[in-house]
Amino acid sequence: GENVEQHPSTLSVQEGDSAVIKCTYSDSASNYFPWYKQELGKRPQLIIDIRSNVGEKKDQRIAVTLNKTAKHFSLHITETQPEDSAVYFCAAKGSNYQLIWGAGTKLIIKP
Amino acid sequence: GAGVSQTPSNKVTEKGKYVELRCDPISGHTALYWYRQSLGQGPEFLIYFQGTGAADDSGLPNDRFFAVRPEGSVSTLKIQRTERGDSAVYLCASSRGGGGLADTQYFGPGTRLTVL
Repeated sequence: GENVEQHPSTLSVQEGDSAVIKCTYSDSASNYFPWYKQELGKRPQLIIDIRSNVGEKKDQRIAVTLNKTAKHFSLHITETQPEDSAVYFCAAKGSNYQLIWGAGTKLIIKP
Repeated sequence: GAGVSQTPSNKVTEKGKYVELRCDPISGHTALYWYRQSLGQGPEFLIYFQGTGAADDSGLPNDRFFAVRPEGSVSTLKIQRTERGDSAVYLCASSRGGGGLADTQYFGPGTRLTVL
């Protein structure tokens, strides 16, 4: 079955700098890759997603890139702000339509 | 309309007891998912409903766990003979349906289950 690995587990960046979180997946049939943000004690919220027929997608300060050949995808946050502090999860939807999640990255924005 | 809701928000029970967790999906969403999230980990898939039927229950850890969705809307996750290891946040999500590509899942606030 699908396996998703996410790195790093914790990322600390200076406010205003960029943050990059990387994920790899194992199932070459996976075709949908969402990213969720989860603040402490709250529900996961979708922030951006990408389909397998697209290599890059951008929404304001957030972008996601996908490399299907290498089976990895990344989340890029530019001009980070204190409210970006949260746990970020990548996920992949494989051939059996289950969402398989990474272990999460705790993003800390230092003032 | 309103988002996914879950009740109760917190549930404390004793080992061996039976619990029911409820999920109200977004109106019109035919797909419903249950996940379990332990501290510091990503959500772990439990079961997926398409309409009233469980399309995939491969994530249920054992036969103490059962879920129903009798009318294709509200779902109840039932846990019998609870164990301390069942303690986690139980998340419910719903999507428009079909489980197909880019079928975005919207999450409820979760139920924090604590088994003493």
